[in-house]
Amino acid sequence: QVQLQESGPGLVKPSETLSLTCTVSGGSISSYYWSWIRQPPGKGLEWIGYIYYSGSTQYNPSLKSRVTMSADTSKNQFSLKVYSVTAADTAVYYCARDRHSSNALDIWGQGTMITVSS
Amino acid sequence: QSVLTQPPSVSGAPGQRVTISCTGSSSNIGAPYDVHWYQQFPGTAPKLLIYGDNNRPSGVPDRFSGSRSGTSASLAITGLQTEDEADYYCQSYDSSLSGSRVFGGGTKLTVL
Repeated sequence: QVQLQESGPGLVKPSETLSLTCTVSGGSISSYYWSWIRQPPGKGLEWIGYIYYSGSTQYNPSLKSRVTMSADTSKNQFSLKVYSVTAADTAVYYCARDRHSSNALDIWGQGTMITVSS
Repeated sequence: QSVLTQPPSVSGAPGQRVTISCTGSSSNIGAPYDVHWYQQFPGTAPKLLIYGDNNRPSGVPDRFSGSRSGTSASLAITGLQTEDEADYYCQSYDSSLSGSRVFGGGTKLTVL
């Protein structure tokens, strides 16, 4: 079955760039959309954006100016960059498969905790 | 502040029926766009519980069901069990927010 695994640095300094990768196993990233979602400690879920395997993207308007996503079909991975991070970007970051036609997120990674601190 | 509004908490005794509401607007649930529900246990990732208003992925017990009416949706859990204690989130699409998937703020279910 399809599984997703996030990887990232754990700790990022304020004003720097956060980079995360999601590796997909048990299936191909081709022909699917893939989303990133985050959850600050003790709070709810926030959708960051999605990427299609071909590279087209859609971002949450509230984050659009600081976010980019990319996909690498040769590695079966997709990635997220968040620029100029602040403490407000501290969260668990999840990647998920996005069933674009219905916008449901049907398979999730386990999540990775990112702390922004000097 | 979430685009979709959920009660912060609900509770029920084992065996009872509980419902969790999710209130939106004409640009999301009322449009109408599909509503989905997720279950999240502490320290774990959310899991898709209900998709397309009232469809269960394989393996989800039929004690869980969803419904919608106008600009609101509901998740019902019958025959409440202690293992149902978790956070529940609704999610939809909002046409006023450039392709955004939007979530409710989440509801903590306590099984008394």
